[in-house]
Amino acid sequence: GAVVSQHPSWVICKSGTSVKIECRSLDFQATTMFWYRQFPKQSLMLMATSNEGSKATYEQGVEKDKFLINHASLTLSTLTVTSAHPEDSSFYICSARGPVVGVNTEAFFGQGTRLTVV
Amino acid sequence: AQTVTQSQPEMSVQEAETVTLSCTYDTSESDYYLFWYKQPPSRQMILVIRQEAYKQQNATENRFSVNFQKAAKSFSLKISDSQLGDAAMYFCAYRSALMYSGGGADGLTFGKGTHLIIQP
Repeated sequence: GAVVSQHPSWVICKSGTSVKIECRSLDFQATTMFWYRQFPKQSLMLMATSNEGSKATYEQGVEKDKFLINHASLTLSTLTVTSAHPEDSSFYICSARGPVVGVNTEAFFGQGTRLTVV
Repeated sequence: AQTVTQSQPEMSVQEAETVTLSCTYDTSESDYYLFWYKQPPSRQMILVIRQEAYKQQNATENRFSVNFQKAAKSFSLKISDSQLGDAAMYFCAYRSALMYSGGGADGLTFGKGTHLIIQP
């Protein structure tokens, strides 16, 4: 399968600061990227969907001003957690999908970022 | 909205034996995709198997197979000849086939997961 690289793998930041997480598709053009959040021992919850060159679409209950998503190129999407608080501590995972061909195009996952806010 | 339910928080199986993980889902759509993902301790999500709802034939991938019952909205995963490397969290996931409808329609909806333990 295709490779999606997420960086950093883990980050610790102070409460009130902002942190940026990058998601890159290394060997394909990602027209759509998805950001998920996973609390310990829980499932993945979709936060937002972004299409290259367009504003992200956020799921209900996700604060778009707090979780800024940028998808300015076909190989890079970023998630910025602004004014982070301890309750934002979580595991964030991106996935990326190329142009839809037919009706069945798979999305590939990054390795995730563990964010700890202290 | 679609929901995915995995009723088994944890399953244990002896190495080399067969185990079945359950998944049910709820949707009003007729066209969609179902997936099983494996998440080992590294937390990298690995696609195990995929089923298109319009296909009646159950998907198989080597030791992994599914029992897809569309009318019952059931999608179980069978792992044959279990190996120690199969130990992981397994998530069942749903995706709409409405690729262009915007919003989260083409993101994945996950179940809560089943922790699979392999006994040597």
